[in-house]
Amino acid sequence: DTEVTQTPKHLVMGMTNKKSLKCEQHMGHRAMYWYKQKAKKPPELMFVYSYEKLSINESVPSRFSPECPNSSLLNLHLHALQPEDSALYLCASSQGQGADGYTFGSGTRLTVV
Amino acid sequence: KNEVEQSPQNLTAQEGEFITINCSYSVGISALHWLQQHPGGGIVSLFMLSSGKKKHGRLIATINIQEKHSSLHITASHPRDSAVYICAVNGNKLVFGAGTILRVKS
Repeated sequence: DTEVTQTPKHLVMGMTNKKSLKCEQHMGHRAMYWYKQKAKKPPELMFVYSYEKLSINESVPSRFSPECPNSSLLNLHLHALQPEDSALYLCASSQGQGADGYTFGSGTRLTVV
Repeated sequence: KNEVEQSPQNLTAQEGEFITINCSYSVGISALHWLQQHPGGGIVSLFMLSSGKKKHGRLIATINIQEKHSSLHITASHPRDSAVYICAVNGNKLVFGAGTILRVKS
């Protein structure tokens, strides 16, 4: 298995909802990443997990809460989001710090209404 | 100035044409990546380079470490090559260029 699988592919949520994004990989990669991508912009790094520990938080608002239950799974819990949080959320994984390359998921298209 | 600069920003080509996209960077890197993203879709890694040249099908990527410059070439372009091509460099973290929007017309 050489894929990063993200679910759901699309999500519409209200500003008072709580929802979660899921990312899964079975390549034995020990680093996993969340990126946020607005239309026509490059991805912006949000969080990095290395060996299941949070190693980088790029000053992301607390309404986004990451979780890494095990080495294959990465979740992003969402609560009280704003319409400007609508974006494509991409998950990626790598063996170490990307020295052997990155594998990206197909993303979750999030719309906050 | 951005750490990673790509040119051109937009490129329209006729099917069959040879295409070149350029990337310049200003930071020390361990590797450079060329990525492809179709509209509304996820990102596919095309190449990872730390030196020299790589080829995969109709795609060729080169890097000049001394000049801090890389190019992505597409030979015999096809409408299915239409996508955004992104250059990204591995420093302390992955830093992305703004992307090149490629449209290949039939």
